[in-house]
Amino acid sequence: DGGITQSPKYLFRKEGQNVTLSCEQNLNHDAMYWYRQDPGQGLRLIYYSQIVNDFQKGDIAEGYSVSREKKESFPLTVTSAQKNPTAFYLCASRLGGSNQPQHFGDGTRLSIL
Amino acid sequence: EDKVVQSPLSLVVHEGDTVTLNCSYEVTNFRSLLWYKQEKKAPTFLFMLTSSGIEKKSGRLSSILDKKELFSILNITATQTGDSAIYLCASPGGALNFGKGTSLLVTP
Repeated sequence: DGGITQSPKYLFRKEGQNVTLSCEQNLNHDAMYWYRQDPGQGLRLIYYSQIVNDFQKGDIAEGYSVSREKKESFPLTVTSAQKNPTAFYLCASRLGGSNQPQHFGDGTRLSIL
Repeated sequence: EDKVVQSPLSLVVHEGDTVTLNCSYEVTNFRSLLWYKQEKKAPTFLFMLTSSGIEKKSGRLSSILDKKELFSILNITATQTGDSAIYLCASPGGALNFGKGTSLLVTP
């Protein structure tokens, strides 16, 4: 079945460590997105990519990095510069056409030890 | 700056009640407005609205857009406990601009 797969579902990080969250899609979607969700905050955009080898910062990109070397993959690295990384991270993708609905993965919950 | 505002932020109702969730938006180059339902994990797509005054309906859920007043409503009739979720409203630009969501709790 086509879809978006995020891994792992739960992730624990020690302070000072970088961690990478995986997002893979087999929907042949061009655009991919990373959101962060905190209680009462809705979804906030971290980074997005419209095509391979290109990506743009969203509203809260500081302390995060991404790459888009393949169409189906858009990993997110949470660096040690991100001072409050505990959150629920959602990856999404969309077929071309900027008013099309996004499809979401099941999310990764990141916690600081 | 594009903005999507949802109200109320949270709501508690009894089974069988009808609820109306609100979403107002200020988005340059408006194309559409989307509603999602989020339970424990991924938001699932409900409706996409592009034209004013045309109701979209799916079972007990319906939604309508007013492009003149820049808002949309999501109605849920005869609510059930399974309707308990966060309902998100969004409008696309380069990415999706999301509201903060309305957290709905339906009690037995």
